[in-house]
Formats: sequence, C-alpha cells, structure tokens
Amino acid sequence: GENVEQHPSTLSVQEGDSAVIKCTYSDSASNYFPWYKQELGKRPQLIIDIRSNVGEKKDQRIAVTLNKTAKHFSLHITETQPEDSAVYFCAAASGNTGKLIFGQGTTLQVKP
Amino acid sequence: GAVVSQHPSRVICKSGTSVKIECRSLDFQATTMFWYRQFPKQSLMLMATSNEGSKATYEQGVEKDKFLINHASLTLSTLTVTSAHPEDSSFYICSASGGSVNYGYTFGSGTRLTVV
Repeated sequence: GENVEQHPSTLSVQEGDSAVIKCTYSDSASNYFPWYKQELGKRPQLIIDIRSNVGEKKDQRIAVTLNKTAKHFSLHITETQPEDSAVYFCAAASGNTGKLIFGQGTTLQVKP
Repeated sequence: GAVVSQHPSRVICKSGTSVKIECRSLDFQATTMFWYRQFPKQSLMLMATSNEGSKATYEQGVEKDKFLINHASLTLSTLTVTSAHPEDSSFYICSASGGSVNYGYTFGSGTRLTVV
C-alpha cells in the first residue's frame, strides 16, 4: 500500500522567511496530492492540492511542486506570518483505491 | 461547497460500552467514506474505507469486529466502537468523497472519544 513520508517533523522560522516541507510517496498510482493545515482539535483544512498531470501550482503565498519521477512533492510558504503556525500534513491519494494516506505531519512555528 | 457533518463532536463513555459516530454528506452523494483515527500529536491513520451498499475494507491492524462501519446510504456512514476501552480514546474523523479523486475529500469536524 501507499506510504507517505514527511519531513521535517518540526520547523521554526522567523516571520517573513520562507518555509518548505517535503514529502515522498511510494505508490506510483497516486495521482492526487493535497496539503492540509490542522489546528488543535479541528478538522484538517485543505490549503492547496496538485494532481499528477501538473508540476507546480501556486496560490498567493503558498505553492506546491510535484516530481512524479522522484515521487516527491513539496509545500512552499513564502513571507510567513505568525498565523501560519500550525501542523501541516501532506497526503497522497491513489487513483486506483481512492484512499488518502497522510504523512506524519510538520509542526510549523513562525516567530514574530 | 461540499459539507460533511459529523456527530457527536465529543463523547465520554464508560469502559465496555459502545459508541456510535455518524458522518453525513449534506450536499453531495458520498459514494466512498473514509474513517480515520488520530492520537494526540500524531497523524491521521486510515482505519477503513466504506462504499455505499457494500462491506467496509479495513486497514491492516484494525479490528473489524470492534470498529463496525455501516454505509447504508449515499449520505450516511456510521462508525460504532464496540466494547470501548480507554486505549480507544482518540479523535475520530470521517472523510467523504464522490467516488473519484477528482472530487476531492471533504472532512467531518471530528469526534473526540474519551473512554473512562
């Protein structure tokens, strides 16, 4: 089955700096890669996603890149703000099973 | 947009009792629903996948007789934790999909289960 590895587990940056979180996946049939932000006790909130027919997608300060050959994808947050502090999860979904498998999560702290 | 309602949001039960959690898609037909469990400071772990009208598929290590899943309609799936024990205390969250990754995944608000 699918296995998603996420790094780093914790990330601390100064306000205004960029943050990058990386994930790798194992199942070549995976074709949908969302990123979620989760606050304590709440449901995951989709912040950006990318499908396997696209290499990069950007939405204001957030961008995601996908390298299908290497089976890895990354989240890039520019001009970080304290309110970006949260736990971020990457995930991968198989086009065959539809299962959405999550990475281990990254706790991002943005220091003012 | 797609909305998924999950109830209850919080439940405390005695050890040995059963608890039912409901997950409803309010404005779309959820042909597939997924149930996850999340322990504190950990990731969401997929427990099972349910398709409307058929038996759920459980992930390795998840006891199907303990975690009963019913997906009787295109808008409702239920998870029943039977004979709950303190180690079952966790955050349970459902996700609904229109049956294809093209539909994306919509999450319920989650249920905090505490077994005392």
